This record gives sequence, C-alpha cells and structure tokens, in this order.
Amino acid sequence: GAVVSQHPSRVICKSGTSVKIECRSLDFQATTMFWYRQFPKKSLMLMATSNEGSKATYEQGVEKDKFLINHASLTLSTLTVTSAHPEDSSFYICSATPGLDNEQFFGPGTRLTVL
Amino acid sequence: GENVEQHPSTLSVQEGDSAVIKCTYSDSASNYFPWYKQELGKRPQLIIDIRSNVGEKKDQRIAVTLNKTAKHFSLHITETQPEDSAVYFCAATSNTNAGKSTFGDGTTLTVKP
Repeated sequence: GAVVSQHPSRVICKSGTSVKIECRSLDFQATTMFWYRQFPKKSLMLMATSNEGSKATYEQGVEKDKFLINHASLTLSTLTVTSAHPEDSSFYICSATPGLDNEQFFGPGTRLTVL
Repeated sequence: GENVEQHPSTLSVQEGDSAVIKCTYSDSASNYFPWYKQELGKRPQLIIDIRSNVGEKKDQRIAVTLNKTAKHFSLHITETQPEDSAVYFCAATSNTNAGKSTFGDGTTLTVKP
C-alpha cells in the first residue's frame, strides 16, 4: 500500500526557534498533501493544502507566515513552524493523496513540544 | 463549508457486543466518506470507506452504511474485541472542495473484556 513518512517523529525546542517537519510519499507521487494539527483528545484540524509547485492554501485562522509550507516535489512537502511558542506544541500530521478517488494516506505524525 | 457531526463522543461496550457510531454531514457535494481508527500517539488508519454511489459496504466485522438523502453515514462493528478500543473518526470529502476532508470530533470506543 501507499506509504507516507514524516520526520522527525518527535522534537523538543526552545521558544523562538524554528522547526521544520518533512512529509514524504515513499511509493507514489502525491499531487496534493495536507497538513493537520491535533490537540490531545481532539480531532484533526486541517491547517493547509499543499500542491506541488504552487503556493499552499491555508485554512481560515491559520497564519501562513507562522506555518510555512513548501511542496518542492511530488514526493516531498515541508512544514516550518517559525518562531515557535509553547502554544504551538501539538501533534502535526501530514497526509498525501495521489489524486485518485480522494483517499488520503497519513504520515506517522510529529510531536512538537516548545519549551 | 462542510460540517460533520459525530455521535456518540464515548462508547463503552462489552466484548462480543456490537458498536455503532453515527455521523451527519452538511455538504451534498461530499462524495467520499472514510472511517479512521486512531490509537494514542499514532496516525489515523483507514478501516473502511464508502462512496456516494454505494449504500452499504462490509469488510468482515466492519460495515458502513450511507444515506445520501438524509446526509448521514454510520459505522458498525460487530463481535467487538478489546483491540477494537481506540478513537474512531468519520470524515466527509468533496471533489469540489479540493479533495479536503472534514473530520468528525471522534468517538472513544472502549471494549471491556
């Protein structure tokens, strides 16, 4: 089946630093990748939709200058949390779709803790 | 935009009993309805999905039904086992919305041995 990797799986950083999270589709080309944020015991909240070679589309209330998304190729999208603060601590999950039938394949998630 | 409501938020059943989780959606353009199982700290795993041209789909102990007219769909798990304990999310997806999925708030299922 389709495999999506995410790196790092866990990161702890100091307030004010930037953190980059990578999402890769390992065995298929992803026309679209999605970035989600999930708080403890809550649902997945879509942050942005990322298409290769174009600017990401952000959901309402998500700061695009805070959460920089780059979809450089059909197998790689990155999310950079800039000037991270404790309130950015969360579980970030990406998903990728080959564009057929809308099925999304999820990465394993990244646990971000900002001290 | 799409709005998905999921009930119940928590569900506790005895091993061997059935469990039913229900979702409603608002956007009639939604045409793909996946169900995910998520264990603590892990990624959501697709367990079954259904498309708008089908009313029911079954895979062993798991089944999903879809009522397009009423805009609701349900997950049915029969002969529940303790390893079915997890959080379950429904989602609604529309081609007209760039393939984005809107998720329900989740149901925490506990299967007591």
